Order: sequence, then C-alpha cells, then structure tokens
Amino acid sequence: ETGVTQTPRHLVMGMTNKKSLKCEQHLGHNAMYWYKQSAKKPLELMFVYSLEERVENNSVPSRFSPECPNSSHLFLHLHTLQPEDSALYLCASSRETGDSYEQYFGPGTRLTVT
Amino acid sequence: GNSVTQMEGPVTLSEEAFLTINCTYTATGYPSLFWYVQYPGEGLQLLLKATKADDKGSNKGFEATYRKETTSFHLEKGSVQVSDSAVYFCALSDDQGAQKLVFGQGTRLTINP
Repeated sequence: ETGVTQTPRHLVMGMTNKKSLKCEQHLGHNAMYWYKQSAKKPLELMFVYSLEERVENNSVPSRFSPECPNSSHLFLHLHTLQPEDSALYLCASSRETGDSYEQYFGPGTRLTVT
Repeated sequence: GNSVTQMEGPVTLSEEAFLTINCTYTATGYPSLFWYVQYPGEGLQLLLKATKADDKGSNKGFEATYRKETTSFHLEKGSVQVSDSAVYFCALSDDQGAQKLVFGQGTRLTINP
C-alpha cells in the first residue's frame, strides 16, 4: 500500500463513451502525475500537476482531459477514445516536483477500449 | 532528448543466481538515476536511486552505481529469490521544465525455485 489509490481498477468502454478515472493520495503531497503504460513501450508521462495547477502536458490528445480539484485528488476524463488508448493508466504523487522527491505510484487502472 | 535503454527481457533465473540488468542513458546535464520495481497487479515502487556520479544506491540486496563515464546504472543482486520476480524499470530525472521521470521499457524478471 503506497498511499495512492486509483479507481476503478479495470474499465471497459466503447469508443463513444465518456468515463473518468480517479486518483487519490493520502500522503500530503503537492504534485500529482498521470502516466500511460502500454505493452512493450516505456512509461509515458501524460500530465503533471503542482499545487493543483497543470505544469506539464506532454502532447496528449484532447480526448484525455485531466482535472485536479485539490492536492489530494486527480481525475482523468475520457471521451471518444480509440482502441490504441487501451493501456494501464498510472497515477503518482510526490511531495514537490523536484529531483529529490520520490514519486509514489498507485496500482493503476487497466483500460480497454472496444 | 533524454532517454533510457534497458536490456531486453524477459530474464529467467534460478533462485540464488546472480542478477544483472543493464541500463544505459543519454542525458544532458546531471540527472538523478532510479530503479523502480513493479510487482504483479501493483504500481511502481522506488527500489533505489543515485543522485550524482559514483553514488551507489542500494536496497533489499539490490545495488546500482551511477557511472558517468559509461553512462550506465546497471542493477545487480548477488542471490535472487522467487519473491524478486517482477518488472524492473530504470529511469532518470529530466530537469527540463517540471520535474519528470524518463523510463526505460522495463525488464521482466522471473525467478524459478
């Protein structure tokens, strides 16, 4: 148990659906991250939030929309996804966005787009 | 841009064997280097890190030394256990813009009893 929880753990959605992934951290951290983990590819950083402000968006398609209402919660809103978006989506948090701050990861949401 | 290259897996060893997982990197500046481990059904956990050249990170019997001259951060363990079966990721910190980690593709390790 790392102190970072993600729901749901598994999600199957059609290409026309709208769904949201939720991440919650119980560590008192100020920075939160979304990563995408696809088979046979390195982890890809999608978004970084620091003190509830988005500080990085790694050229992610607009069908992925993040939201960070407070420093403990992070959402990823999904709409009109493509089958190639099927992957494990990992949330992480750290005390700050800085070199010496370890990132703590949640268990991930396994997303399948049909 | 910065990048990390890990040895291709999967790697299969017998219990008590010696483990090496190779990792090399390309980076500008002086990044910190990390090894993360992902057990089945879980997220990534930091295994060890090194923040400057010649530093050695160690944890749970695993070690890695930051070698600037060879741009490497190879992971080693003298005697592996079945419980070490997992996917191992090498990563570096990218100091361009907001702090982020750049990961290698991961190496799946299976230890047989």
